[in-house]
Amino acid sequence: DAGVIQSPRHEVTEMGQEVTLRCKPISGHNSLFWYRQTMMRGLELLIYFNNNVPIDDSGMPEDRFSAKMPNASFSTLKIQPSEPRDSAVYFCASSSQGAIFFGTSGGAAYNEQFFGPGTRLTVL
Amino acid sequence: GIQVEQSPPDLILQEGANSTLRCNFSDSVNNLQWFHQNPWGQLINLFYIPSGTKQNGRLSATTVATERYSLLYISSSQTTDSGVYFCAAVLGGGGQFSGGYNKLIFGAGTRLAVHP
Repeated sequence: DAGVIQSPRHEVTEMGQEVTLRCKPISGHNSLFWYRQTMMRGLELLIYFNNNVPIDDSGMPEDRFSAKMPNASFSTLKIQPSEPRDSAVYFCASSSQGAIFFGTSGGAAYNEQFFGPGTRLTVL
Repeated sequence: GIQVEQSPPDLILQEGANSTLRCNFSDSVNNLQWFHQNPWGQLINLFYIPSGTKQNGRLSATTVATERYSLLYISSSQTTDSGVYFCAAVLGGGGQFSGGYNKLIFGAGTRLAVHP
């Protein structure tokens, strides 16, 4: 399996520009998560989808952030307009809720999350 | 509120040394994972361990759910073990197969530096 795929890996943009981050979850997974990592706040959950439906977007900072999941194999996180304080690494993760997979460290794993490589966003 | 706390925050080791990283959590767990974030920023799954003990090579982990803690053991450390180790948990009741919301709460991490 290719794992969770994110693009782009790096993005540098100017304040006020629109930024779109993309994610392809692991095939067969039905839950998708967007996280943001900063030095000050660590890893924080932005939004969670289950079966393509947004379940919890309470972590989305403000209206400038939006996320979509049009199908089971694709999600986007959009920032419009971008600001310097949005600079961070954005991770996408996926898991299979409601099914048991063979876990990373052996044995049954329920809801184990797997992360993509992240997108490092710099807003100038 | 729901919390996941890790200790120590920083750890410096000489190559070959052993270490124990600790994760305390404030509620019962439905899922507990240990990750290694390598110097390139990649989050690598180490263990899925809501309870019990598992071993994978030089690494092992134990979660004592009733006492709300998990330990990650690193034996014979190598320079490639350097990075940040995160504990993350899905907290709350309902059990592993409750089908509930699996929101991972991350600890602040333990930053490990292994010197040759």
